Amino acid sequence: GAVVSQHPSRVICKSGTSVKIECRSLDFQATTMFWYRQFPKQSLMLMATSNEGSKATYEQGVEKDKFLINHASLTLSTLTVTSAHPEDSSFYICSATPPGVGQPQHFGDGTRLSIL
Amino acid sequence: SQQGEEDPQALSIQEGENATMNCSYKTSINNLQWYRQNSGRGLVHLILIRSNEREKHSGRLRVTLDTSKKSSSLLITASRAADTASYFCATSPNFGNEKLTFGTGTRLTIIP
Repeated sequence: GAVVSQHPSRVICKSGTSVKIECRSLDFQATTMFWYRQFPKQSLMLMATSNEGSKATYEQGVEKDKFLINHASLTLSTLTVTSAHPEDSSFYICSATPPGVGQPQHFGDGTRLSIL
Repeated sequence: SQQGEEDPQALSIQEGENATMNCSYKTSINNLQWYRQNSGRGLVHLILIRSNEREKHSGRLRVTLDTSKKSSSLLITASRAADTASYFCATSPNFGNEKLTFGTGTRLTIIP
């Protein structure tokens, strides 16, 4: 089945650091990938839609300059949390949809980001 | 903003019993999906039901959809300890299955 790989799985770093998270579709090409944020014991909130070869589409309230998204190839999207602060600590999950009619989104295993 | 709400927020049952979770949503949808999330992991797709369908089965899973009430239910029959996880419904406004809006989730605990 379709596999989405996310790396790293866990990041702990100091306040002010920028952190890059990678999302890869391993066995299919994805022109669109999605980035979600999940707080403890809460649901997933869509942050942005990553579009291969063009700018990402951000949801209302998500800072574009804070969460930089790059989708340079059909199998890789990256999310960079710039100058991270403790309030950015969260679980970040990406997803991608394989080609084909009615395919569900496939999710990575998430990245636990902890900013000290 | 989150469209869906699920109830109960948490559910604990004995192994072997059936578990029912409900989801309500607010806007028109093309389809509704159920996902499972083990603690600290990503989501696994369970089942998708389209707006013109009323019921769907997959193994021990049974999903219903009532578009007039904007609600759906997920039934897991003959529960197992391995079913312990959080379950989320998600709605999509279009056939392309993009821009999922997730419900608040139900934390299911199966007691061995």
